[in-house]
Amino acid sequence: KAGVTQTPRYLIKTRGQQVTLSCSPISGHRSVSWYQQTPGQGLQFLFEYFSETQRNKGNFPGRFSGRQFSNSRSEMNVSTLELGDSALYLCASSPYAGAGDTEAFFGQGTRLTVV
Amino acid sequence: DQQVKQNSPSLSVQEGRISILNCDYTNSMFDYFLWYKKYPAEGPTFLISISSIKDKNEDGRFTVFLNKSAKHLSLHIVPSQPGDSAVYFCAASHQGAQKLVFGQGTRLTINP
Repeated sequence: KAGVTQTPRYLIKTRGQQVTLSCSPISGHRSVSWYQQTPGQGLQFLFEYFSETQRNKGNFPGRFSGRQFSNSRSEMNVSTLELGDSALYLCASSPYAGAGDTEAFFGQGTRLTVV
Repeated sequence: DQQVKQNSPSLSVQEGRISILNCDYTNSMFDYFLWYKKYPAEGPTFLISISSIKDKNEDGRFTVFLNKSAKHLSLHIVPSQPGDSAVYFCAASHQGAQKLVFGQGTRLTINP
């Protein structure tokens, strides 16, 4: 069974640009969550999607958005990039929504560098 | 407000000895706790979890202990092996929330 796939693995963008990251969850998983990892802040929750609906959102500005498609694949978009958006963006999938009693499976992440 | 805290940014342990990683939380709504292991340039890998109805869960060399009254959990690795060298994240969630709240991580180094 394939794991969580994130593309691209690495990305360099310029301030002010926008970026779209992609995540394909494990087959059969319908919940996709996104996290941002930075050295100073650790892993911080961005948002969660289940059945194409955003169920939960973290404390991030509106420049961060996402969506989920009918095949459960998800994309996140960051507009008007800032230097502080440089981070490892991780996607996690799990079978259920709101299932606080199950582990999430993470992809390898997309390393975004904003210059 | 850091709801999940790992106060030790790093820990160094000799191979074969016990590694103990600690985690504290403040939100009494949390009822499920997980440990993840992360190597550089990779995503976190699930290690072990514990529900708030238990105080101990064991899986091979890994044991997680939960002390609800103290809002504290710990991960014990016995015996420690060089391949255990990684960053370990403690995470917590509560019923109905897919959101995981992570600690800052502890970098574990196992010395030969």
